[in-house]
Amino acid sequence: GAGVSQSPSNKVTEKGKDVELRCDPISGHTALYWYRQSLGQGLEFLIYFQGNSAPDKSGLPSDRFSAERTGGSVSTLTIQRTQQEDSAVYLCASRIASGNTIYFGEGSWLTVV
Amino acid sequence: ELKVEQNPLFLSMQEGKNYTIYCNYSTTSDRLYWYRQDPGKSLESLFVLLSNGAVKQEGRLMASLDTKARLSTLHITAAVHDLSATYFCAVPLGNTDKLIFGTGTRLQVFP
Repeated sequence: GAGVSQSPSNKVTEKGKDVELRCDPISGHTALYWYRQSLGQGLEFLIYFQGNSAPDKSGLPSDRFSAERTGGSVSTLTIQRTQQEDSAVYLCASRIASGNTIYFGEGSWLTVV
Repeated sequence: ELKVEQNPLFLSMQEGKNYTIYCNYSTTSDRLYWYRQDPGKSLESLFVLLSNGAVKQEGRLMASLDTKARLSTLHITAAVHDLSATYFCAVPLGNTDKLIFGTGTRLQVFP
């Protein structure tokens, strides 16, 4: 597609369950980012992938959070044993190696009940 | 620790008026990003400012960057209702691609 695609767009899960959020970056974009947006914390960096380099995981809030990027394209953010404070919008973004603009997807709205 | 502060946090302005949103950041950076977010929507890239003195304009919006003062401004000229949204600035942390976002400025333009 033309933009960054994320799924699901909305997810309601029970506390303690695991969730997977998917991101399909713009074709040809080597850099991929995950951010989280919540009312209390604003926009927070989570993790960054660039090509074949080791990802920058410094923003992941706990070891319940992990992300992988397969084949340099699609990425999955996994949250294990979800907690209510994980409720937020999870935004994926991508950037072409030669460019500066970072394009964001529509986000996955996660609600933990 | 890099801190990015925006002011004002809320801005209610009349159509046709001019106003400026300010973005201050605490450590050296030669890049700054401006984004727009409509309610329930994602972030739309407005400007990427890449050097000291950079100025970019799109329609009624003009952004500038002063890296020495660690300040960027987003100037709104003759505001229209369609500009109502939340505006974020973001600065990369050091030489990384990790963007640190400001708190956002919620702009409401009324007739």
